[in-house]
Amino acid sequence: EAQVTQNPRYLITVTGKKLTVTCSQNMNHEYMSWYRQDPGLGLRQIYYSMNVEVTDKGDVPEGYKVSRKEKRNFPLILESPSPNQTSLYFCASTKTSGLSYNEQFFGPGTRLTVL
Amino acid sequence: AQTVTQSQPEMSVQEAETVTLSCTYDTSESDYYLFWYKQPPSRQMILVIRQEAYKQQNATENRFSVNFQKAAKSFSLKISDSQLGDAAMYFCAYRSGDTLAGSYQLTFGKGTKLSVIP
Repeated sequence: EAQVTQNPRYLITVTGKKLTVTCSQNMNHEYMSWYRQDPGLGLRQIYYSMNVEVTDKGDVPEGYKVSRKEKRNFPLILESPSPNQTSLYFCASTKTSGLSYNEQFFGPGTRLTVL
Repeated sequence: AQTVTQSQPEMSVQEAETVTLSCTYDTSESDYYLFWYKQPPSRQMILVIRQEAYKQQNATENRFSVNFQKAAKSFSLKISDSQLGDAAMYFCAYRSGDTLAGSYQLTFGKGTKLSVIP
């Protein structure tokens, strides 16, 4: 089954404790990205990657890191989480070749709480 | 930068009735895509409908249809024969058609929470 998976789905942590949220897709998509969703703000892009070893900032990158060492994986790293990073996080992926339009596939979301 | 505005934070509709959710956007591009996503309580993002800016015909998907007014930069979603399962948060989203720019970023509105009254 074609899908984007995220782990963990729920996480409660404390300020300053480094964490990683994993994202993996099995569709051989070139493009992957991370969004955060906050009440009243919709979804905002954190980082994106056009392909292996190619990453760039989205609209709200502060406090986050990413890496793209393999095509299928795009982990989101919070080196020193703070309470304002409490949010719902989505990973998404899409193909960039072929037709001009390719649907973006979203993961199931990760609910992160930073105390 | 593109912006997407959903002016209705919450709406409600009687079961079997029709409801329209509003969305406006701002862009200087001529080639782009517009989307409506549904987010039920499970939090999964579900694509409801897509509209290509170059197409004059409004997109339809079963009970869902859009009213795309390119000059007015308006993109409303009409849900006909509303069902209890339609209750969800709905997000309007924009994506540039210029893939050479290197970004497939979706720009989302703030969402409209739709309640369906039995």
